[in-house]
Amino acid sequence: EIVLTQSPGTLSLSPGERVTLSCRASQSVRSSYLAWYQQKPGQAPRLLIYGASSRATGIPDRFSGSGSGTDFTLTISRLEPEDFAVYYCQQYGSSPYTFGQGTKLEIK
Amino acid sequence: QVHLQESGPGLVKPSQTLSLTCTVSGGSISSGASYWSWIRQHPGKGLEWIGYMYYSGSAYYNPSLKSRVDISVDTSKNEFSLKLSSVTAADTAVYYCARAPIFLPFDIWGQGTMVTVSS
Repeated sequence: EIVLTQSPGTLSLSPGERVTLSCRASQSVRSSYLAWYQQKPGQAPRLLIYGASSRATGIPDRFSGSGSGTDFTLTISRLEPEDFAVYYCQQYGSSPYTFGQGTKLEIK
Repeated sequence: QVHLQESGPGLVKPSQTLSLTCTVSGGSISSGASYWSWIRQHPGKGLEWIGYMYYSGSAYYNPSLKSRVDISVDTSKNEFSLKLSSVTAADTAVYYCARAPIFLPFDIWGQGTMVTVSS
């Protein structure tokens, strides 16, 4: 099983700031099958990024993903008020599919 | 626009079987283009993949739950179901159904349904 470790656990930031979230895998993620999701309280996760760097339909271009192998990042270039949420990475290259434990972005 | 909706009891007694159904609208489970999944989230915690099914009936489960899980599909009703047996309080969670197009991650999710295991 591939274990995904996200860091940091919580970030306190202000709107307008740039942020980079990290996701490290315990072994290489096949074909960069790495996704990022955003989850707000009481809602289902929303797909942001797939294939490590491709934005899902309707996702603003302030969200970008990069990485390969075992190290991946999600960058939000300029935080909007609606971006404060929990972010999860997930690998879908090997069964069982696994998720990171999440990074919470909170308003400073 | 494909839409997924979970349904089922919100309260299950310990040792019994949790049963949920996901109804798919706006698209066909039988299209063959996607896997149909169940994912859960313990209160205040992260996400756990339970398993997925292809419309043909092939199913793949998380080894941590495999002995207790059964996912089935009813193409005539355009829905798929989850059965989790011998539940304990540790199975209390929000259960989501989700679609994963082949070679892609979960792009469409249901709203989730909270299931509490308690006597």
